[in-house]
Amino acid sequence: KQEVTQIPAALSVPEGENLVLNCSFTDSAIYNLQWFRQDPGKGLTSLLLIQSSQREQTSGRLNASLDKSSGRSTLYIAASQPGDSATYLCAGNTQGGSEKLVFGKGTKLTVNP
Amino acid sequence: DAGVIQSPRHEVTEMGQEVTLRCKPISGHNSLFWYRQTMMRGLELLIYFNNNVPIDDSGMPEDRFSAKMPNASFSTLKIQPSEPRDSAVYFCASSFGAYRGRSPLHFGNGTRLTVT
Repeated sequence: KQEVTQIPAALSVPEGENLVLNCSFTDSAIYNLQWFRQDPGKGLTSLLLIQSSQREQTSGRLNASLDKSSGRSTLYIAASQPGDSATYLCAGNTQGGSEKLVFGKGTKLTVNP
Repeated sequence: DAGVIQSPRHEVTEMGQEVTLRCKPISGHNSLFWYRQTMMRGLELLIYFNNNVPIDDSGMPEDRFSAKMPNASFSTLKIQPSEPRDSAVYFCASSFGAYRGRSPLHFGNGTRLTVT
């Protein structure tokens, strides 16, 4: 059974700092991987999608990478801002046809002004 | 685009009552998902529809849960009878294409269900 671990569970940083969030899968055969952001009382917003043929994706100050050999992904946030404060979740599905995205429990990020 | 629309936003009910959650996916999306989120278990997929047909309902916890998608623009998740352990936030999400994680998943704002 695929399980997803996100480390750390919570992170508090001063504004302007560069930071890395980590995600690891027990089954390293990840087919597609997505990073999401969740604000309190809201649904999830898709940030980056790494498809099966890709190794990383970038959007603005965000960069996500996937190491398929180890089943690990990182989300890099450059020059963090208070507006980045949210919970970040990673999710993936495994090769072999599973339609299910398995989610991690997220990293709660607080960026202090 | 209004995004995925869920109703109600909050539902408080007593144990044993029937609860119906509603979802309108993004127009043009043909895959629809119902998720449940709790602190203990995180996000769990309950059921997945493609072109209005249920494809995988293995995440539906018990026979008390049922879901329908009568047309491309509407889906319901019903719990009958409800129990306190059903208290959670229920999310509906949609995407385009036969989903294998190839396209971004768009979530609604969820329905917070409290069963007393």
